[in-house]
Amino acid sequence: EVQVVESGGGLVQPGGSLRLSCAASGFTFSSYAMSWVRQAPGKGLEWVSAISGSGASTYYADSVKGRFTISRDNSKNTVYVQMNSLRAEDTAIYYCAKALLHWGAFDIWGRGTMVTVSS
Amino acid sequence: QSALTQPASVPGSPGQSITISCTGTSSDVGAFDYVSWYQQHPGRAPKLMIYDVTKRPSGVSNRFSGSKSGNTASLTISGLQAEDEADYYCISYTSSSTLWVFGGGTKLTVL
Repeated sequence: EVQVVESGGGLVQPGGSLRLSCAASGFTFSSYAMSWVRQAPGKGLEWVSAISGSGASTYYADSVKGRFTISRDNSKNTVYVQMNSLRAEDTAIYYCAKALLHWGAFDIWGRGTMVTVSS
Repeated sequence: QSALTQPASVPGSPGQSITISCTGTSSDVGAFDYVSWYQQHPGRAPKLMIYDVTKRPSGVSNRFSGSKSGNTASLTISGLQAEDEADYYCISYTSSSTLWVFGGGTKLTVL
């Protein structure tokens, strides 16, 4: 079965750090770009970051640039996002999503992991 | 404010057809045939319903269809059913460094 499973969410204080993981299975992981998309409580979807299949190219939304770092370990079929200098507005469910080969859409989504930034 | 504009809500009745619009620019929707649509039920992850403007993934009902004209893409749902009540989001690939732009979402209510 093709799936991705997120982990690592939790409660963190403003200014703190957290690393989310996304474990993939059921497909040739290194062939596909992966992305993180978040959803604040009661709000719409917001793209956060993406990484190419090889890991050589990374992309970030302006709202997280300089604070978040995306990476992947193709030997472990896992993608990560290191989140530093967290703010209250980063509070959201973080979804991991697999991109189609041409990067035009996201066909597999995880159930998400909740990140709460609060003192 | 989202980069792609969707109506906040759309009402429909069982059996009817509805269309949700998604308006972008010549740098995203108008430039690429990479518009996709997602259905999200409360408390659930988004589900891909349409990709590449008109294509349906395996397992998605043929009641769902997509189209595009200029800078506006549309999702049409025919033969509305109660289970179609959900939030719907459009996403487009873009020529900017952000790669993708998202719509703000449309709440479909099946009355």
